Amino acid sequence: DAGVIQSPRHEVTEMGQEVTLRCKPISGHDYLFWYRQTMMRGLELLIYFNNNVPIDDSGMPEDRFSAKMPNASFSTLKIQPSEPRDSAVYFCASTATSNYYHVGFGELFFGEGSRLTVL
Amino acid sequence: DAKTTQPPSMDCAEGRAANLPCNHSTISGNEYVYWYRQIHSQGPQYIIHGLKNNETNEMASLIITEDRKSSTLILPHATLRDTAVYYCIVRVATVRDDKIIFGKGTRLHILP
Repeated sequence: DAGVIQSPRHEVTEMGQEVTLRCKPISGHDYLFWYRQTMMRGLELLIYFNNNVPIDDSGMPEDRFSAKMPNASFSTLKIQPSEPRDSAVYFCASTATSNYYHVGFGELFFGEGSRLTVL
Repeated sequence: DAKTTQPPSMDCAEGRAANLPCNHSTISGNEYVYWYRQIHSQGPQYIIHGLKNNETNEMASLIITEDRKSSTLILPHATLRDTAVYYCIVRVATVRDDKIIFGKGTRLHILP
């Protein structure tokens, strides 16, 4: 299994530019999460999807951020326009519904992250 | 907000057991305790989770107190590769509100 695949691994852009981060979850997983990590704020949950439908986007910082999941094998996180304070590592994670422990999902499988630097 | 309290950092000698504490005094009856770790620059990695009984897997053991207000993650024979930030998480688990929220974690240094 290839694991969760994120691209690009590193992105350097200038303020005002559009940024698109991509994620391919593990095949068969029906939950997908986007997290953001900074030194100041730690790991923050931005949004998560279940069966391609956004369930909770309360962590999305503002309207400049948008996320989509057009199908079960692909998701994007877009920032338009980007600002220097968006500089962070963005992680995507996926998981499958856990039938054994509880209604809901089991452990999360994280990608390697996309490091974004906005100048 | 994270519902757990962890020491910001700990040291442990290589080869010894690393015991990482976590307080979760407001945990409710149907909430699980999860542990993840994050090795430098990598995505977080699941370690173990439990409800009320002690749990053990190939990576670690999880000891939950009887009142469930605290727990300890035990790495039985720590190696240098166990140097990481360890996150203790209480999972909010309702049908439509399944979130895993990370706090600040404990930075564990394994000393050679």
